[in-house]
Amino acid sequence: DTAVSQTPKYLVTQMGNDKSIKCEQNLGHDTMYWYKQDSKKFLKIMFSYNNKELIINETVPNRFSPKSPDKAHLNLHINSLELGDSAVYFCASSSFLTVDSLNEQFFGPGTRLTVL
Amino acid sequence: GQSLEQPSEVTAVEGAIVQINCTYQTSGFYGLSWYQQHDGGAPTFLSYNALDGLEETGRFSSFLSRSDSYGYLLLQELQMKDSASYFCAVQTGANNLFFGTGTRLTVIP
Repeated sequence: DTAVSQTPKYLVTQMGNDKSIKCEQNLGHDTMYWYKQDSKKFLKIMFSYNNKELIINETVPNRFSPKSPDKAHLNLHINSLELGDSAVYFCASSSFLTVDSLNEQFFGPGTRLTVL
Repeated sequence: GQSLEQPSEVTAVEGAIVQINCTYQTSGFYGLSWYQQHDGGAPTFLSYNALDGLEETGRFSSFLSRSDSYGYLLLQELQMKDSASYFCAVQTGANNLFFGTGTRLTVIP
């Protein structure tokens, strides 16, 4: 069984469109994340949710809106897509991390978004 | 600002040992993680150091010196399948991982 799954795997769309990426985890984790990996492989956290509540929101354009219907799902909706949004988007999950806990995040397979 | 520095590329011979260094400057520090990512794949967790010293997991070891803001990943008995990108990442706060830019390791026969 897939631990963290994302759909779609590939997404090709025109500038200005709105699109969504879905993420689900079956690990029983209560924290989920969205990361963006650009063409230079730089992996940057965008959002972090714990028990459906937003706990981290890095400097991300407000065209990006995460939604967590329950703690097993974290979807990412992107409005008015721009060329610079082209990247691979990874969803991840973990237990709630504290200074004493083993820091391990489980990543989904990624969604390659191409904006034309 | 925050920064993690690691070499962009390393090449090593199959069967050899390679060390990938990581120096960091971050606003918070809970621990240092290492992740492996094959081309087209997802990052996968390798190790985590919260305290100074060496952690060993099979052929991979990770070291941390908090006083030097420095860590490294040591890969022994290199295999071709170890060719991948390796990222150090600092846990800067609860649930917040700040990743380095990655080191691309190429293992040659």
